[in-house]
Amino acid sequence: QKEVEQDPGPLSVPEGAIVSLNCTYSNSAFQYFMWYRQYSRKGPELLMYTYSSGNKEDGRFTAQVDKSSKYISLFIRDSQPSDSATYLCAMSASGSARQLTFGSGTQLTVLP
Amino acid sequence: NAGVTQTPKFRVLKTGQSMTLLCAQDMNHEYMYWYRQDPGMGLRLIHYSVGEGTTAKGEVPDGYNVSRLKKQNFLLGLESAAPSQTSVYFCASTETGASTDTQYFGPGTRLTVL
Repeated sequence: QKEVEQDPGPLSVPEGAIVSLNCTYSNSAFQYFMWYRQYSRKGPELLMYTYSSGNKEDGRFTAQVDKSSKYISLFIRDSQPSDSATYLCAMSASGSARQLTFGSGTQLTVLP
Repeated sequence: NAGVTQTPKFRVLKTGQSMTLLCAQDMNHEYMYWYRQDPGMGLRLIHYSVGEGTTAKGEVPDGYNVSRLKKQNFLLGLESAAPSQTSVYFCASTETGASTDTQYFGPGTRLTVL
């Protein structure tokens, strides 16, 4: 079983829809949770960062972490065609030389 | 400020050939990483370095070697390439002492081993 599980999709939604992306994990040592966005044939770039449990909002994006359930989510409001990309969840434990464990990624397409 | 750069962008090798991938960063970051990305597998850590002259194994180190002779460069070597090493390789770096574990990624190297 992988340490981090992510639904690979693909996910296709109409413009303006609310998108929910999720990951589950098994390692209770993970404390830092991230979402990366990767456009086709590009390197990943950090989208959201959360420490421990709770919510974090940044514009149209909201990241949620529920450590008790070992479950993290990314919500995208008013989705735009420019949001079409692969979204990767990532997490790390303290003292791990900042090593990240990634989910397999969810491919999202927002249709105009 | 170029960030993280990778050389080459594309490469085709025959089984048994060797090559070196170069990663360079101009952000004075201490930590550097090499990942491979395969369909359905996400990013998997190959090797990493926490400073000049240091290297350590990641999740999938077999068949690869690395060197960090200069702080700004991190080299990934394949001594005898195999078709299973066909992948997209990403280099990343991060700074120590930062409040986040943000890793900055390069554009990737697409490697095909025939």
